[in-house]
Amino acid sequence: GAGVSQSPSNKVTEKGKDVELRCDPISGHTALYWYRQSLGQGLEFLIYFQGNSAPDKSGLPSDRFSAERTGGSVSTLTIQRTQQEDSAVYLCASSLDGYGYTFGSGTRLTVV
Amino acid sequence: RKEVEQDPGPFNVPEGATVAFNCTYSNSASQSFFWYRQDCRKEPKLLMSVYSSGNEDGRFTAQLNRASQYISLLIRDSKLSDSATYLCVVKTSGNTPLVFGKGTRLSVIA
Repeated sequence: GAGVSQSPSNKVTEKGKDVELRCDPISGHTALYWYRQSLGQGLEFLIYFQGNSAPDKSGLPSDRFSAERTGGSVSTLTIQRTQQEDSAVYLCASSLDGYGYTFGSGTRLTVV
Repeated sequence: RKEVEQDPGPFNVPEGATVAFNCTYSNSASQSFFWYRQDCRKEPKLLMSVYSSGNEDGRFTAQLNRASQYISLLIRDSKLSDSATYLCVVKTSGNTPLVFGKGTRLSVIA
């Protein structure tokens, strides 16, 4: 597609459930980044992929968070046993050169 | 100390005013610098890159002072449509992710 596509756009889940967030980057963009933004806060880096490998997982806040990317394209961010503090907007971006990022419109996750 | 620091604002200015935002960064290895704009409940979008010599894009001027590790954004002749949060962003080498400041909120008032 023309832009970065994220789904779902909104997700309400019960505490303790697992959730999967999907990101479909711009075709041909080899780099893919996940950030999250809590209410009133800045963007917090989570993980990035170069192709299918994740050289930098340093931002994942706990072992409940994991991500994968297959075929150098779609990426999935999984949060297991969700907690209320996981509530945030999860943003995905892709880039051709690692400098110009195009963001998707995000997934707004609410854990109740 | 946070890697990128910005005054959160809000800056409330009348239409036509000139407004300036500042940002400081702590990592002296930072090599690339940007300003992004984020509208309410929307994703960030690149406004402009910041070059050492300073650069201008229409009503927007960005400046970088490497010695002081300081970046600025000047908006002239503010429009209502400039109301948004402006994010200061830095990057070290080619494979490192962008590091975002928390942003400065601007409201342009008629």
